[in-house]
Amino acid sequence: KAGVTQTPRYLIKTRGQQVTLSCSPISGHRSVSWYQQTPGQGLQFLFEYFSETQRNKGNFPGRFSGRQFSNSRSEMNVSTLELGDSALYLCASSPDNMREQFFGPGTRLTVL
Amino acid sequence: AQRVTQPEKLLSVFKGAPVELKCNYSYSGSPELFWYVQYSRQRLQLLLRHISRESIKGFTADLNKGETSFHLKKPFAQEEDSAMYYCALSAPNTGNQFYFGTGTSLTVIP
Repeated sequence: KAGVTQTPRYLIKTRGQQVTLSCSPISGHRSVSWYQQTPGQGLQFLFEYFSETQRNKGNFPGRFSGRQFSNSRSEMNVSTLELGDSALYLCASSPDNMREQFFGPGTRLTVL
Repeated sequence: AQRVTQPEKLLSVFKGAPVELKCNYSYSGSPELFWYVQYSRQRLQLLLRHISRESIKGFTADLNKGETSFHLKKPFAQEEDSAMYYCALSAPNTGNQFYFGTGTSLTVIP
């Protein structure tokens, strides 16, 4: 099976802009989770989607949002970008829960 | 509140020596604990989970609820074990939020 794919791999934006990141899970996986990885904070859980519904949510401001489509593909949106949003954003998929997660390569977002 | 603590950022051991990567957690309840590993230029991947009680690549980890620890151990380190290791916790009482530690970089010296 093909692994989790994320697009784009690299992104440069300026403060105040918004950005949309995409994640395609492994075929048959219905759960998609998003994480933010930074050198200072490490890996932080953003949210999880299952069957097009947000099932779990981390402690991030409302500027961070996501959605999941009927084919389980997921998008994450960050509005009004701040410098501190610069990070590696990882997506992970799992069959039905988050017990065994398969990670994508990540999208490197740089906010200038 | 810090849920998962990995006190060592860097750990070096010689090939053939025992290795222990420490993980402590804070959670009132019954968490699920995991170890994830990231080898150089590869993706983050699940190594093992406490609920399975399995040994993967010679690694084991025991959940000690009294000490709130989930240390990862291997009796004889191999060069291919060099990687970044992350301890993670799933918290059923908080909607199954997932918490990762900050990671330990393990280097096995030949």
